[in-house]
Parts: sequence; C-alpha cells; structure tokens
Amino acid sequence: KAGVTQTPRYLIKTRGQQVTLSCSPISGHRSVSWYQQTPGQGLQFLFEYFSETQRNKGNFPGRFSGRQFSNSRSEMNVSTLELGDSALYLCASSFFGQSGEAFFGQGTRLTVV
Amino acid sequence: QKEVEQDPGPLSVPEGAIVSLNCTYSNSAFQYFMWYRQYSRKGPELLMYTYSSGNKEDGRFTAQVDKSSKYISLFIRDSQPSDSATYLCAMSAGNTDKLIFGTGTRLQVFP
Repeated sequence: KAGVTQTPRYLIKTRGQQVTLSCSPISGHRSVSWYQQTPGQGLQFLFEYFSETQRNKGNFPGRFSGRQFSNSRSEMNVSTLELGDSALYLCASSFFGQSGEAFFGQGTRLTVV
Repeated sequence: QKEVEQDPGPLSVPEGAIVSLNCTYSNSAFQYFMWYRQYSRKGPELLMYTYSSGNKEDGRFTAQVDKSSKYISLFIRDSQPSDSATYLCAMSAGNTDKLIFGTGTRLQVFP
C-alpha cells in the first residue's frame, strides 16, 4: 500500500512569489492535515481537511491556504512568500480523522531566498 | 507555557541500553497520545499510538500514559544504533487529526 506522497520534494522560491504544494493521502484515507516544521518552532499545525471541508485551522496568517479535492488529494498554497516561510511542510493522512492516528509523508522542503 | 513539553536532548546512550523518553502536557482534553520517530530529512513515522491512560507494548517499544499526572513516556529496550533519530511526542483531543507536538528529543545510540 503506497504511503502519503508529497510533491515536489524540494522547492526554491523568491520572496514575494507564491507556491503550491501537493499531497496524495494513503488510499482510502479521507482526512488530510498539514504541518510546518522549522528548527525553532518544531512541528506546528496548519490546517485539517475532511471530505473536502476544512475542520481546523492553525494560527498562521491568511497567506497560508489549502483545499481538498473529491479524491481526498490536498493542496496548500502560500502567497507572498517571506524568508520565514522556509521550512519543511508535512502532510499527514488518516482514515477517520478523529483520533490523530495520522501517517506522514516525506515532506516538501521549501527554501525562500 | 507550551501545551506539550519535551526535553530536546540530545540523549546519547550505548547500544543495548534502555532509553526513557518523556513528555508532559497541560491540556486535560488530550485523549490520544502518539510517539513518532523522525530520521534526518525524512517525515515522522508513527511508532506508538495510545488512547487514554495505560501501557502499550510493541516489540522493543513500550508507551505509558498517566493522565492524572499529565505525563507520557516511551521506553526503548535493547537500543540499537538504528534507533538514532529524533523522537516526537504528539497529542490529540479527539474528533480531529489536529496534533500538538513536543519539540522532539534527539537520541544517539553508539555501538
């Protein structure tokens, strides 16, 4: 069974640009969550989607947005990139989206220059 | 104060040692408790998943949850160099996949 797939794995962007990251969950999983991981702040929750609906949103500015499609695949978008957005962005999926028993992808490493 | 506190380490132990990793938390709403292992430049890998208080064992790994003390532990028996990684505790209140993570403890097992 394939795991959570995130694309691209690495990305370099310039300040002010926007970026879209993609996540394909484990087959059959309906819940997708996104996290930002930095050395200083650790893993921080961005948002959670279940059956195409955003259920929770973390404490991030509105420049961070996401969506989920009918096949459970998800995308997150960051507009007007700042240097501080450089991080590892992780996607996790689960079947029920109720207990946090979530499985992570390998992440997308975003570098903003 | 952070909702979840975890000693960042690093923790360095010889091969074969018993390792104890711990987290404390302040939110009494947490019901689900996880331990993840993360190797450098990889995503976190779910190691142990526990609901409410009690113990759970899986091979060399034992997870303990004490909700009365708001304290969780992960024990690794017969530690191996391949166990060298960062260990993250995570918690959830239920009805959501929103996880609150500890900062992670870096473990080094030397031969």
